[in-house]
Amino acid sequence: EVVMTQSPATLYVSPGERATLSCRASQSVKNNLAWYQHRPGQAPRLLIYGASTRATGIPARFTGSGSGTEFTLTINSLQSEDFVVYYCQQYYKWPPVTFGGGTKVEIK
Amino acid sequence: EVQLLESGGGLVQTGGSLRLSCAASGFTFSSYVMSWVRQAPGKGLEWVSGISGGSGSTYYADSVKGRFTISRDNSKNTLFLQMNTLRAEDTAVYYCAKEGAWFGDRIDNWGQGTLVTASS
Repeated sequence: EVVMTQSPATLYVSPGERATLSCRASQSVKNNLAWYQHRPGQAPRLLIYGASTRATGIPARFTGSGSGTEFTLTINSLQSEDFVVYYCQQYYKWPPVTFGGGTKVEIK
Repeated sequence: EVQLLESGGGLVQTGGSLRLSCAASGFTFSSYVMSWVRQAPGKGLEWVSGISGGSGSTYYADSVKGRFTISRDNSKNTLFLQMNTLRAEDTAVYYCAKEGAWFGDRIDNWGQGTLVTASS
């Protein structure tokens, strides 16, 4: 099973600033990496797939990068609705697909 | 617009059973892999089980293998999860999820989730 590790667990950022979230895989997952945004009580939302492709309707301030074992989600110019939890997921080696533990973005 | 609506969650005694359903609309249901993903209180996301479009292939997390059964009715655009011998650690919000045409793809749509609480 591929273990996904996200850091930091909590990230404190000021509105309008940039957030940089990290995700590391225990072995190479090539570019089979997705990022999801999860608001409490709501359905998770796909942000990025293929490590760097924005899903339909996702604003350009969300950028994904990386390949192999190291991945980054960058959120530029943070808006109030961006202060929620983000998960990475690998779908290269399955079953099972596996998720990181999440990064919560909080207002500084 | 893709819609996934889960139902069937609730409070059940440990050792008991529950059947979750997910009604799908807005896409050709039979053409896609469907999965269940859960989130225990205060925890992250955990993939539980997946089923191919034609039901020919099913997969399970080790934590539920032998206790849970995934199935689908393509004539009714509905996904199911039969959960038997429930344990306290199965307590979670269960999400229905739409993947791609085959396994090993991102989840591009999720339901709102249904809460399952297993307690003695």
